[in-house]
Amino acid sequence: DTGVSQDPRHKITKRGQNVTFRCDPISEHNRLYWYRQTLGQGPEFLTYFQNEAQLEKSRLLSDRFSAERPKGSFSTLEIQRTEQGDSAMYLCASSPDGVKEQYFGPGTRLTVT
Amino acid sequence: GIQVEQSPPDLILQEGANSTLRCNFSDSVNNLQWFHQNPWGQLINLFYIPSGTKQNGRLSATTVATERYSLLYISSSQTTDSGVYFCAVEGSTDSWGKLQFGAGTQVVVTP
Repeated sequence: DTGVSQDPRHKITKRGQNVTFRCDPISEHNRLYWYRQTLGQGPEFLTYFQNEAQLEKSRLLSDRFSAERPKGSFSTLEIQRTEQGDSAMYLCASSPDGVKEQYFGPGTRLTVT
Repeated sequence: GIQVEQSPPDLILQEGANSTLRCNFSDSVNNLQWFHQNPWGQLINLFYIPSGTKQNGRLSATTVATERYSLLYISSSQTTDSGVYFCAVEGSTDSWGKLQFGAGTQVVVTP
């Protein structure tokens, strides 16, 4: 049983560029979550999917951020026109239906120069 | 939203020592998890413990939901226990799955 996987693990981009991250949840986990963690802080909730439906979005998710889960399996998080303040670790988690315990992937570390 | 406070913020231990980490939260919870974040950033699940007591090897945890706190015990610490320990909760009035993390406790275990 493989865990949550995320790709890429590291991304360096220049300010103003668009980036896209991918998350593959644990097989048969229909709930998928995105979090962001800046240096020295705990992770902060961004958004949550149940199957393909995006059910909750944080105010942290500005108009430049968009997340999708088109077939209820993997999810993508896109950041448009990146800013230096977007530099962070982006974490994905998943859980099966009816279970509250969340399992996290290794994260994608984004550096905006 | 629910507030989560962890203490102490930093902890330095000699190998073999025991320690207690605390997590206070401001409202009733549906979910409480303890994580260990390794140096590469991976969050490793330690306990799912919205109430009661659990043990796993040298680690144990207790949550007293009525008094709104949880404790993580590390016994006979090893250098591999170094890292940041996070408590995360989902408030009863929050949306499903919206975990609120504390600021973490940075643990350093010296040989």
